[in-house]
Amino acid sequence: QKEVEQNSGPLSVPEGAIASLNCTYSDRGSQSFFWYRQYSGKSPELIMFIYSNGDKEDGRFTAQLNKASQYVSLLIRDSQPSDSATYLCAVPPSGTYKYIFGTGTRLKVLA
Amino acid sequence: KAGVTQTPRYLIKTRGQQVTLSCSPISGHRSVSWYQQTPGQGLQFLFEYFSETQRNKGNFPGRFSGRQFSNSRSEMNVSTLELGDSALYLCASSLGDGGGTDTQYFGPGTRLTVL
Repeated sequence: QKEVEQNSGPLSVPEGAIASLNCTYSDRGSQSFFWYRQYSGKSPELIMFIYSNGDKEDGRFTAQLNKASQYVSLLIRDSQPSDSATYLCAVPPSGTYKYIFGTGTRLKVLA
Repeated sequence: KAGVTQTPRYLIKTRGQQVTLSCSPISGHRSVSWYQQTPGQGLQFLFEYFSETQRNKGNFPGRFSGRQFSNSRSEMNVSTLELGDSALYLCASSLGDGGGTDTQYFGPGTRLTVL
């Protein structure tokens, strides 16, 4: 089992729809979870992080965390073509100072 | 505040050579992490430094090494380059005192091509 798993996609959604991106992780001791966006040829940029079970909203983005199910998701409301990118889930294993990244989900927002 | 800077941005080397990449973290950040990104393997953790000490190391051969200076700037070195070392090398900085809750901010990366 991979430490952090994401569906590679591509996930295609029409403009204005909600895009739902999912991530599962294996380390039950992990305490924090990060979502990054990476445009082709660019470096990852932080979208948001979540520490507590439940939802955390930031503008059009909502992160959802369920530690019991070892599952974290990112919802993008009112998706725009400019949201087309690869979304990376990062999870630091407990007791470490490193991130383990999923392989990323490629999102395509169709105009 | 200036972001993370990496130099050089692009590098072309031949097999067997060695290369040194540099990273300057965000001012006030004391932790620097290095990652390798390839299409096949995704983002892979190389190592992390805090106050000139390596705290974590990934599963890479000893040809990959790094160090951190007293001003938090970091360098990584790859010796005896192989074709498979062609990748985007990313540096990320963070405050370094939050354990697993620390947020990492990435630099623009160095694109290394080995011929």
